[in-house]
Amino acid sequence: TQLLEQSPQFLSIQEGENLTVYCNSSSVFSSLQWYRQEPGEGPVLLVTVVTGGEVKKLKRLTFQFGDARKDSSLHITAAQPGDTGLYLCAGARGVGGSQGNLIFGKGTKLSVKP
Amino acid sequence: NAGVTQTPKFQVLKTGQSMTLQCAQDMNHEYMSWYRQDPGMGLRLIHYSVGAGITDQGEVPNGYNVSRSTTEDFPLRLLSAAPSQTSVYFCASSYFQVRSPLHFGNGTRLTVT
Repeated sequence: TQLLEQSPQFLSIQEGENLTVYCNSSSVFSSLQWYRQEPGEGPVLLVTVVTGGEVKKLKRLTFQFGDARKDSSLHITAAQPGDTGLYLCAGARGVGGSQGNLIFGKGTKLSVKP
Repeated sequence: NAGVTQTPKFQVLKTGQSMTLQCAQDMNHEYMSWYRQDPGMGLRLIHYSVGAGITDQGEVPNGYNVSRSTTEDFPLRLLSAAPSQTSVYFCASSYFQVRSPLHFGNGTRLTVT
């Protein structure tokens, strides 16, 4: 059962455009993480959001956790070719316990053309 | 710091062969895990460990064995390789709490013919 749905699956845009990637679920998560993965490498954490309604900014990237803690979005302003990669969201199913409770979405593959 | 180190980077096996994928971390993380990544399927958890001597199954454990004799090492064993195990395998580690960031290795690309 896929608990985390990411959309769109693929996104190809020109440098300078804005974009939003979505991560949705019918389940409530205690926290949610966003990772970026470049070809041939492992995912790298971008941000963790833990509070409903929370907004975090990382330079041109803005992350939001839904009020009900069932969804999240990643907005990139003025995308650059260096933003190209696979963006993964991962939700934690409980407050306690280990990372064995972490569920990954299937990812959004972003390509930013110069 | 080396972080999470996986070896080998590439491997080709014939059906029925066995092998061990190595994973080592130098961050003193309690938690270690193995994922496989297939096109369109995302990251799926195979096995994980919350400390030396403790392992548990993830979402797709069949055909794989693990052990955790030390904090640093978490090898993944394929007992009898099958074409369905062709995938990219990632090892990850973190501190115990579920909100802690996962640190991933750079993966092992396995092909089973």
